Amino acid sequence: GAGVSQTPSNKVTEKGKYVELRCDPISGHTALYWYRQSLGQGPEFLIYFQGTGAADDSGLPNDRFFAVRPEGSVSTLKIQRTERGDSAVYLCASSPETGPGNTIYFGEGSWLTVV
Amino acid sequence: AQSVSQHNHHVILSEAASLELGCNYSYGGTVNLFWYVQYPGQHLQLLLKYFSGDPLVKGIKGFEAEFIKSKFSFNLRKPSVQWSDTAEYFCAVNTYNQGGKLIFGQGTELSVKP
Repeated sequence: GAGVSQTPSNKVTEKGKYVELRCDPISGHTALYWYRQSLGQGPEFLIYFQGTGAADDSGLPNDRFFAVRPEGSVSTLKIQRTERGDSAVYLCASSPETGPGNTIYFGEGSWLTVV
Repeated sequence: AQSVSQHNHHVILSEAASLELGCNYSYGGTVNLFWYVQYPGQHLQLLLKYFSGDPLVKGIKGFEAEFIKSKFSFNLRKPSVQWSDTAEYFCAVNTYNQGGKLIFGQGTELSVKP
C-alpha cells in the first residue's frame, strides 16, 4: 500500500493478557518507529529500527514491552502481561532512512484498550 | 533531556481569524523542527519542517512557522483559518544526536467555528 499500515486498528484485551500489534511500513523505508499516544497527550517515543536492528529502544517503558523487525520490513510490538495503564493508541511510522530531518510518515494507529 | 512545550491546550477561533500556536523547545544544540496535524479520524500528517536556512518556513494549506533561535521557539501561523483547519496540531523536535527520533509536544486542539 501507499502508506504505513497497522493492524489491528482496535484491540480490546483483558488485563494480564499478551498482545501483538503489527506494522507494515512504506515500501523501501529503512527506518521504522513506534510511538504511544495517550488521550490528550502528544506521541511518546518508544523505539526505532534501522533495518533489522533496534537503534534506540530508550522509550520502552519496561521489560513487558518488546519489538522486533526480523526482515527489516514488517515490525511487531509485543506487550506481555498487559495492564490498564497500557491503554493508548500505538502509532507506527516509517521514513526513507534515519538521520535528522527526515520526514516521518505515520500510520493510523492501533487503539489498545485493556479492561 | 529534550522537551517540547505547546502553550495552548485548546484554541477556539471563528473562520477568517488569524492563528498563532506557540511552541518552545529545550535543547541547546542544532535542531530540526516540525509541525504535524491530525484531522479528526485521520493519521498524523506533516504540515511543515525546518532544517536550516530561512527561518520562515512555508507549509501546506497556507500554514507557516518561524524559527527564532534566541527564543527556542517555532510558532505556527496562518493568516485566515477555515473550518476545515479544525484539528489537533503537534510541534516536534529532532536533534542531530538522536537519529530520526522525534520528541513531540502535548498538542493543541484547534476548533474553528463556521
